[in-house]
Amino acid sequence: GAVVSQHPSWVICKSGTSVKIECRSLDFQATTMFWYRQFPKQSLMLMATSNEGSKATYEQGVEKDKFLINHASLTLSTLTVTSAHPEDSSFYICSARDAGGGETQYFGPGTRLLVL
Amino acid sequence: RKEVEQDPGPFNVPEGATVAFNCTYSNSASQSFFWYRQDCRKEPKLLMSVYSSGNEDGRFTAQLNRASQYISLLIRDSKLSDSATYLCVVNPSGGYNKLIFGAGTRLAVHP
Repeated sequence: GAVVSQHPSWVICKSGTSVKIECRSLDFQATTMFWYRQFPKQSLMLMATSNEGSKATYEQGVEKDKFLINHASLTLSTLTVTSAHPEDSSFYICSARDAGGGETQYFGPGTRLLVL
Repeated sequence: RKEVEQDPGPFNVPEGATVAFNCTYSNSASQSFFWYRQDCRKEPKLLMSVYSSGNEDGRFTAQLNRASQYISLLIRDSKLSDSATYLCVVNPSGGYNKLIFGAGTRLAVHP
């Protein structure tokens, strides 16, 4: 089945540093990837839609200059949390849709970010 | 009003019990509906899509009522391994578009 990986699986960093999270589709090509954030006991909230070769589309309330998204290839999207602060600590999950068709989104295992 | 609303639970049931989860959505034009399962500290995994005519997959039955904007999931003969959070998910516009997640309903199945 379709596999999506994320790296790193967890990260602890100091306030003010930037953190890059990678999302890869391992056995399929994904023209569209999605980035979600989930706080404890809350639902997944879509942050942005990442389109290969073009600018990401951000959801309302998500700062595009703080959460930089790059989707440079059909199998890789990156999310960079710039100048991270403790309130950015969360579970970040990506998903990818197979460019070959179908509506199903395949989720990565998530990245836990803790900003001290 | 939230776009997708679920009873947070938790539902604590014994093995073998039948349990039902409900979900309502606010956008009447929504096109696609799903139930996902999320285990603690893991990513969500697709459990089943929900079709207008209702559909069944083993012990799991999903129903959709478009007039009431209501989705349900029925789990029969609960297993310990069914313990998880069940997420109601809606694709508001169909096609290759974003998903809206409910906050989830927690299920704990005990011996």
